[in-house]
Amino acid sequence: ILNVEQSPQSLHVQEGDSTNFTCSFPSSNFYALHWYRWETAKSPEALFVMTLNGDEKKKGRISATLNTKEGYSYLYIKGSQPEDSATYLCAFSSGGSNYKLTFGKGTLLTVNP
Amino acid sequence: EAGVAQSPRYKIIEKRQSVAFWCNPISGHATLYWYQQILGQGPKLLIQFQNNGVVDDSQLPKDRFSAERLKGVDSTLKIQPAKLEDSAVYLCASSLITGTMNEQFFGPGTRLTVL
Repeated sequence: ILNVEQSPQSLHVQEGDSTNFTCSFPSSNFYALHWYRWETAKSPEALFVMTLNGDEKKKGRISATLNTKEGYSYLYIKGSQPEDSATYLCAFSSGGSNYKLTFGKGTLLTVNP
Repeated sequence: EAGVAQSPRYKIIEKRQSVAFWCNPISGHATLYWYQQILGQGPKLLIQFQNNGVVDDSQLPKDRFSAERLKGVDSTLKIQPAKLEDSAVYLCASSLITGTMNEQFFGPGTRLTVL
């Protein structure tokens, strides 16, 4: 059974704060790591897919890094805004013909105005 | 481009009743997934279709859950009979093809409450 852990479970920050969360995954049989953002009552939205050790991706104020050797990824949000409030999910894949994703439990971010 | 559509958005039933969810994937997407997300947990894959064939249903509780994807487009997921522990959000996703690092596009989900 693959273990994908996310921390913290939930987080409250003030508007303008920068924040980060962690996703831990198996370092063996790594193929890709996905980050999704899921706002309440909406569809989960893909943020990043990362494959190479040392990868860094950025989309606006959100960025992510990847360390496949030690099995973790960080997601950073700079200058949080209330519209960033959502659950952030990471998902691990070891590739294969089915390309199965194993999700973590997510980090629930609340940004207070 | 229209996204993944799901219906109903919410459903409340009593235990031992039956329920069905419907999913319409993005046009042209060959692969369709059903996930179950129980409160406090991450989404768990129940079943994956490639066109109208099942690729992976290893985590589908087959004594009560069934799914089909007739004609390789729309899909339905059925629970019969429902148990209290089936209360969850059921997410449908689709991707162009399987076996590659393909982005999965998700629908808004169906929130099921079993009383």
